[in-house]
Amino acid sequence: NAGVTQTPKFRVLKTGQSMTLLCAQDMNHEYMYWYRQDPGMGLRLIHYSVGEGTTAKGEVPDGYNVSRLKKQNFLLGLESAAPSQTSVYFCASSYRDRYYGYTFGSGTRLTVV
Amino acid sequence: GNSVTQMEGPVTLSEEAFLTINCTYTATGYPSLFWYVQYPGEGLQLLLKATKADDKGSNKGFEATYRKETTSFHLEKGSVQVSDSAVYFCALSVYQGAQKLVFGQGTRLTINP
Repeated sequence: NAGVTQTPKFRVLKTGQSMTLLCAQDMNHEYMYWYRQDPGMGLRLIHYSVGEGTTAKGEVPDGYNVSRLKKQNFLLGLESAAPSQTSVYFCASSYRDRYYGYTFGSGTRLTVV
Repeated sequence: GNSVTQMEGPVTLSEEAFLTINCTYTATGYPSLFWYVQYPGEGLQLLLKATKADDKGSNKGFEATYRKETTSFHLEKGSVQVSDSAVYFCALSVYQGAQKLVFGQGTRLTINP
């Protein structure tokens, strides 16, 4: 099925460990996004990309890095995980046109202990 | 700036009741408006959208009308079902270097049989 695929679905990290979350889309969307979802705070934009080889900061970028080497993939990295990064992470993709909205992945639940 | 305000939850209704979830927005420019739904353990799914004033978006019995004069996009359904239990997010889309969705904080809806 076409859509946005996130891996892994669950992960537990120890403080200070690093990891990479992978997002892949097969809809030829130009834009890709990483959000985090925390109780009572809705979704907050971490980083986004408007095309292959480009990235930009969102609302809460500190502690995260991203890369988009291929149009279909968008990677989110945590270099040194902290308990404050315990959250559910969602990847999304979209066309350039603002009329279409986003397609979301099913999320990655990350716990940092 | 751009922002979305939703009625606070949680909202609990009985099956077949009428549903309204209020959403108001502030935006620079002329946004598109969306409602997304998140079922337990899943990502966000687009429920409906409207791209210009007085447009009505509809899907699965849900409706919302883009009211520019009141800057609102309230979600309604005439007769809710237990399967409608989910978290509902109102969002607006603006172009700021990229298409960006700005989300409200979400409203948790529980329908009791």
